[in-house]
Amino acid sequence: GAVVSQHPSRVICKSGTSVKIECRSLDFQATTMFWYRQFPKQSLMLMATSNEGSKATYEQGVEKDKFLINHASLTLSTLTVTSAHPEDSSFYICSARLEVGELFFGEGSRLTVL
Amino acid sequence: GENVEQHPSTLSVQEGDSAVIKCTYSDSASNYFPWYKQELGKRPQLIIDIRSNVGEKKDQRIAVTLNKTAKHFSLHITETQPEDSAVYFCAVMFSGGYNKLIFGAGTRLAVHP
Repeated sequence: GAVVSQHPSRVICKSGTSVKIECRSLDFQATTMFWYRQFPKQSLMLMATSNEGSKATYEQGVEKDKFLINHASLTLSTLTVTSAHPEDSSFYICSARLEVGELFFGEGSRLTVL
Repeated sequence: GENVEQHPSTLSVQEGDSAVIKCTYSDSASNYFPWYKQELGKRPQLIIDIRSNVGEKKDQRIAVTLNKTAKHFSLHITETQPEDSAVYFCAVMFSGGYNKLIFGAGTRLAVHP
């Protein structure tokens, strides 16, 4: 199957700082990538759809100015959590698909904000 | 709206028994229904999927059935083993836009030896 890589896998930061998470499709080009957030013992909640060369589409209730998404190339999307606070601590997972159907997930990034 | 409901939230079975998890969805135009298995701290892994043009699909001990009229689909695991213990998520690809995948709340399956 297709490979999606995410970095970093773990990050700890101080409250008020910004954190960038990268998501790469290693062996295919992805015009669309999806960013999910997962709190402990909960489901994956779609945050936004990242579109190469255009603005991301955010789900209802997700602050676009807080979660900045950039999809600068067909193999890279980045999520920046700006002015992070403890309530932003979560597992962030990106995903991409080859065609309409199976979604391939990155390894996930566990963010802890102190 | 985009709604996916999954039941039960927890399921405990004895090794060798069968396990069934059910999901319902709201959009009748949805046409892709995957199931994912997630172990603690890891990414979700696709275990089986079904498209709307078929009613059932099987892969060894795992099967998925789809009832488009009733808008529900189910995961069936037979001859369960302790290594099947994990959290299982159903998902639905909603039509329109970027064909986003929305997940159910998850089912924590425990298989006891």
